[in-house]
Amino acid sequence: ETGVTQTPRHLVMGMTNKKSLKCEQHLGHNAMYWYKQSAKKPLELMFVYSLEERVENNSVPSRFSPECPNSSHLFLHLHTLQPEDSALYLCASSQGRGFEPQHFGDGTRLSIL
Amino acid sequence: AQKVTQAQTEISVVEKEDVTLDCVYETRDTTYYLFWYKQPPSGELVFLIRRNSFDEQNEISGRYSWNFQKSTSSFNFTITASQVVDSAVYFCALSGLMTSGSRLTFGEGTQLTVNP
Repeated sequence: ETGVTQTPRHLVMGMTNKKSLKCEQHLGHNAMYWYKQSAKKPLELMFVYSLEERVENNSVPSRFSPECPNSSHLFLHLHTLQPEDSALYLCASSQGRGFEPQHFGDGTRLSIL
Repeated sequence: AQKVTQAQTEISVVEKEDVTLDCVYETRDTTYYLFWYKQPPSGELVFLIRRNSFDEQNEISGRYSWNFQKSTSSFNFTITASQVVDSAVYFCALSGLMTSGSRLTFGEGTQLTVNP
């Protein structure tokens, strides 16, 4: 079982669809993160959850809605997305929000038609 | 504010060559951590190393070595005798105690291609 698992690996959706990305970590960590990686851009931190509480929302549009039901699972609910939202979405986890390394999943490649 | 600069966007080498990836950072924190991650084509970022700002000792792990120089705000990464499997995007990242908590500021990455 890999440390951080993301599903689906690929997702194609229309602008009016609603879908969700799922992340699960098997490392016993208590902090989880969503990142967006677009072509030719640095990784952008979207959300941070610590002990299941959202502690950071990095000015992300409301069409992205995170959910963290427990310390092992993190979701990103998507609705009414725009073509510029096409990107690789990476989930990560770490032990605490100090300086422990973050461990990443393989990402979900999202394409908006 | 924090900033990480990886000036080399792409590097291409032939197998067995040594290659150095540059990383320069800016921070006002006195306590901070530096990281290197590798992102192969599969997409997952793989953690390689973490150094804190008080430990300037260079580190070697197999074919990988890291040179941390506080005086020049640099944390360079060298791969010795490169192999095709080293082909990936490499990211340098910074986390400062006061300015960011555990927020990682990433550089833009260096695409390394090792040709057979």
